[in-house]
Amino acid sequence: EIVLTQSPGTLSLSPGERATLSCRASQSVPSSYLAWYQQKPGQAPSLVIYGASSRATGIPDRFSGSGSGTDFTLTITRLEPEDFAVYYCQQYGTSPPYTFGQGTKLEIK
Amino acid sequence: QITLKESGPTLVKPTQTLSLTCTFSGFSFSSRGVGVGWIRQPPGKALEWVAIIYWDNDKRYNPSLKSRLTITKDTSKNQVILTMTNMDPVDTATYFCARTGDFRAYVAYWGQGTLVTVSS
Repeated sequence: EIVLTQSPGTLSLSPGERATLSCRASQSVPSSYLAWYQQKPGQAPSLVIYGASSRATGIPDRFSGSGSGTDFTLTITRLEPEDFAVYYCQQYGTSPPYTFGQGTKLEIK
Repeated sequence: QITLKESGPTLVKPTQTLSLTCTFSGFSFSSRGVGVGWIRQPPGKALEWVAIIYWDNDKRYNPSLKSRLTITKDTSKNQVILTMTNMDPVDTATYFCARTGDFRAYVAYWGQGTLVTVSS
């Protein structure tokens, strides 16, 4: 089973700043099959990035994903108030389970 | 427009069997590459991948839960059913129904989720 470790656990930033979220895998994720999700309180998660760097439909270009192998990054430039949420990474490149990270909470400073 | 909605009991007793139904619209299992599955989230905790069934009836389970799980589909009703036996309070969670990307197991669409509490 691939274990995903996200850092930091909580990130406190102000609107307009740049956010960098990390997701590290315990072993290489095949074919960069890594996704990022955003979850706001009381809501289901929603897809932000898939294939490590492809934005989902409707996701603004201030969101970008990068990385390969065991190290992946979600970057949000120029934070907007609606971007503050919990972000999860997920790998879907090996046999199940398609594990999730423990989440990074992006909060307003 | 793709939508998914979960239904089932909100409260089950320990040792009982849970049955959850996902009813979806906007796509069908006749489309190659389609997968529908379940992901759960205990209160205040992270997401946990549970199970998935694909258009060709291929089924995949979380190994840590596999002995307790069965996932089936009713193509004519656009439904996926998850059964989980021997429920325990640690299984208390919001259960999300999810549709994958085509031929890829990331979640492209999520249901709203249903909270299942396991308590006597």
